Parts: sequence; C-alpha cells; structure tokens
Amino acid sequence: DAGVTQSPTHLIKTRGQQVTLRCSPKSGHDTVSWYQQALGQGPQFIFQYYEEEERQRGNFPDRFSGHQFPNYSSELNVNALLLGDSALYLCASSIRDRVLNTEAFFGQGTRLTVV
Amino acid sequence: EDQVTQSPEALRLQEGESSSLNCSYTVSGLRGLFWYRQDPGKGPEFLFTLYSAGEEKEKERLKATLTKKESFLHITAPKPEDSATYLCAVQAGRSSASKIIFGSGTRLSIRP
Repeated sequence: DAGVTQSPTHLIKTRGQQVTLRCSPKSGHDTVSWYQQALGQGPQFIFQYYEEEERQRGNFPDRFSGHQFPNYSSELNVNALLLGDSALYLCASSIRDRVLNTEAFFGQGTRLTVV
Repeated sequence: EDQVTQSPEALRLQEGESSSLNCSYTVSGLRGLFWYRQDPGKGPEFLFTLYSAGEEKEKERLKATLTKKESFLHITAPKPEDSATYLCAVQAGRSSASKIIFGSGTRLSIRP
C-alpha cells in the first residue's frame, strides 16, 4: 500500500514565478491538507480539501490556491513567488468520516527554494 | 486562539539516559493530540494519538501521556536512532478532518 506521495521532491524557482506541487493521498483517504514548514519550525496549515472543495484555510494569502481531483489527488499552486515562500511543503491525507481515527499521514514533502 | 508550545527546543542525551518532552496546549474542544517524529528533510511520521486526559500509549522506548493542559513524551533508555525532531499537534472541533495545529518541535539528539 503506497502512502502519501508528493512530487517533485525538490524545486528551484525564481521570484515572481508560479509553482504547482502535487500530492496523491494514501489509499482509502479522501481528505488532503497542505502545510508549509520553514526551517526549524513546525508545519503551518495552509488549507484542506474534501469533495473537491476547499473546506478550511489557514493564514495564507490568496497567492496560495489549490485543487482536488475526483480521484482525491490534489495540487497546491503558489503565484508570484517570494523569497519567503522557500520551505518544505507537506501534504497530509486523512479520512473525514471516521469518528476517532483522525490521524493524518504525511508525504515526504517538496523542498521549494525561491531565488 | 488555539496554541501548542513544546519544550525544550533542543535536548541532548547520552545513550540510555531517559527523559521527557513536554507539549502544552490551549485549544477549545480537544478532539485529539498527536505525536509525530520527523527526520531531517522528511515528512512527519505518525507515532501516537491521545484523545482524553489520563490516556497513555506506548511504542518501543516511547510512552505518551495526556492531561487536560499538556502531554508528555517519555523516552526510556534512548538509542542514537531515536535522534529526530518530535512534533506535537492538536486537533480541535467537531469534524474528524479539522485542521491540525503543530508546535515547533523538540530536536532530540542521542549521543552513543
């Protein structure tokens, strides 16, 4: 059983460019959340997708947008990249309808460097 | 505002020297508290979920406990391979898919 997979693993972009990161959730999971993790910090919640809609959003500007496809996979798009967007971007998948089994499983992340 | 604070920021132990990591939280309606392990450059690896005060869970040399205001991750006789950053996170609200709020982590280093 494949876990959460993210692509690409590393990416270098120039300020002002746009980037798209991809995530395939763990088999059987229907909810995808995205996190940004700066060096030495804990992951910060960006947003969450379920049933192809954004359900919750953290304190991130509109430059950050996303999409979820019918097969539950997801994309994170960031426009007008800033140097401060350099971070490890993590995707986590979970199951929405389980009452107690709420743990999220994370992918290995995409390391984005903005130069 | 929901908040998670972990201490210490960093901890260096000798192999075999037991210790505890602390996670203090402020949240309305705790649904679950999670512990994750994260190795450098990798995604967090799930360790435990705790749901209510008094609950304890164990896995090999790790034991997690929960009170109404904090959680502890006890490490007994650690080995060098236990070196990693340990993240605490809380989930609040009614939905099983509510957002998860992380602390900044404790960087644990075990010397042989």
